[in-house]
Amino acid sequence: GENVEQHPSTLSVQEGDSAVIKCTYSDSASNYFPWYKQELGKGPQLIIDIRSNVGEKKDQRIAVTLNKTAKHFSLHITETQPEDSAVYFCAASMDTGFQKLVFGTGTRLLVSP
Amino acid sequence: SAVISQKPSRDICQRGTSLTIQCQVDSQVTMMFWYRQQPGQSLTLIATANQGSEATYESGFVIDKFPISRPNLTFSTLTVSNMSPEDSSIYLCSVDPGQSYDTEAFFGQGTRLTVV
Repeated sequence: GENVEQHPSTLSVQEGDSAVIKCTYSDSASNYFPWYKQELGKGPQLIIDIRSNVGEKKDQRIAVTLNKTAKHFSLHITETQPEDSAVYFCAASMDTGFQKLVFGTGTRLLVSP
Repeated sequence: SAVISQKPSRDICQRGTSLTIQCQVDSQVTMMFWYRQQPGQSLTLIATANQGSEATYESGFVIDKFPISRPNLTFSTLTVSNMSPEDSSIYLCSVDPGQSYDTEAFFGQGTRLTVV
């Protein structure tokens, strides 16, 4: 089955800096890669996703890149703000019409003012 | 999008008892998913629940421990049976509101379970 590895486990940056979180996956059949942000006491919230027919997707300060050959994808957050502090999870699935997601281990991002 | 409500939001239970968690969606969905998030850990899929059929469990999870009901297209329950402290986790309900290529998975806020 699919296995998703995520690094780093913790990441501390200064406000305004960029943050990069990386994930690798094992199953070449996976073709949907979402990123979730989880704040304390809340469920995961989708922040951006990418499908295997594109290499990069951007939404304001957040971007995701995908390298299918190397089987890795990354989350990039620019101009970080304290409210970006949360746990971020990557995930992978085979888009067969429903979202059976395999999650990475999570990255705790701390943005200091 | 989909709005998902889970009840209870948290509970403290005695070992050996059972707790039923409810998941209500504001729209009809074909599939609902139950995940477990152990303290400080990632999310692990427990089972997939279709309306009108038995749930499909992932490796390491069994129906006797985690019975699931799916009586209609907007509601599901997960029961954690004969609880032990190792069952202390956040349990999350998730749905995929559509079948099209551009759908996404939505999560409820979770049920934080502590077993003492």
